[in-house]
Amino acid sequence: ETGVTQSPTHLIKTRGQQVTLRCSSQSGHNTVSWYQQALGQGPQFIFQYYREEENGRGNFPPRFSGLQFPNYSSELNVNALELDDSALYLCASSLQGLQETQYFGPGTRLLVL
Amino acid sequence: AQSVTQPDIHITVSEGASLELRCNYSYGATPYLFWYVQSPGQGLQLLLKYFSGDTLVQGIKGFEAEFKRSQSSFNLRKPSVHWSDAAEYFCAVRMDSNYQLIWGAGTKLIIKP
Repeated sequence: ETGVTQSPTHLIKTRGQQVTLRCSSQSGHNTVSWYQQALGQGPQFIFQYYREEENGRGNFPPRFSGLQFPNYSSELNVNALELDDSALYLCASSLQGLQETQYFGPGTRLLVL
Repeated sequence: AQSVTQPDIHITVSEGASLELRCNYSYGATPYLFWYVQSPGQGLQLLLKYFSGDTLVQGIKGFEAEFKRSQSSFNLRKPSVHWSDAAEYFCAVRMDSNYQLIWGAGTKLIIKP
């Protein structure tokens, strides 16, 4: 059983650019959640996808968008990057359900200059 | 608004000593409660979770946590820490109305030899 993987591990962008981060879910999982973790803080929920549809969204602007593919891999896209977008972006896969455990990937460290 | 508080930013304990990490939440009903551990360069790993039933839950790596409804707390404990326990620990809650996890700011555990 493979775990959750994310790519790339690190990324440097400049303000105003666009970025795409990728996540491969754990085998059999149909739900993916994305979180932003700023330095020294806990993760903040961005959104969740279930069966390729957005299933909940945190307090993030529309320039944060996502996709979930039929094979349950996922992308997080961020447009018009701002300096404050510098953070660790975490992907978590799970089955759908309030009692289901979310399994996290190692994250992508994004630096916006 | 729902929130999670981890009052200790850092805790230093000697190897072999006992450990208690505090977590308090703000929510009207009983949420689903989780403790995760994050080591450098690694993803968040679930230590234990509480949904209902026995208020003392056992987790991996010798950790346990106790849910106290009257105090809105879910403190993490370990009777004897090992140097490998040095990491950052996060408490998270999920309300029964949606799937997102709300996280505390984390407690960094430092082990003295």
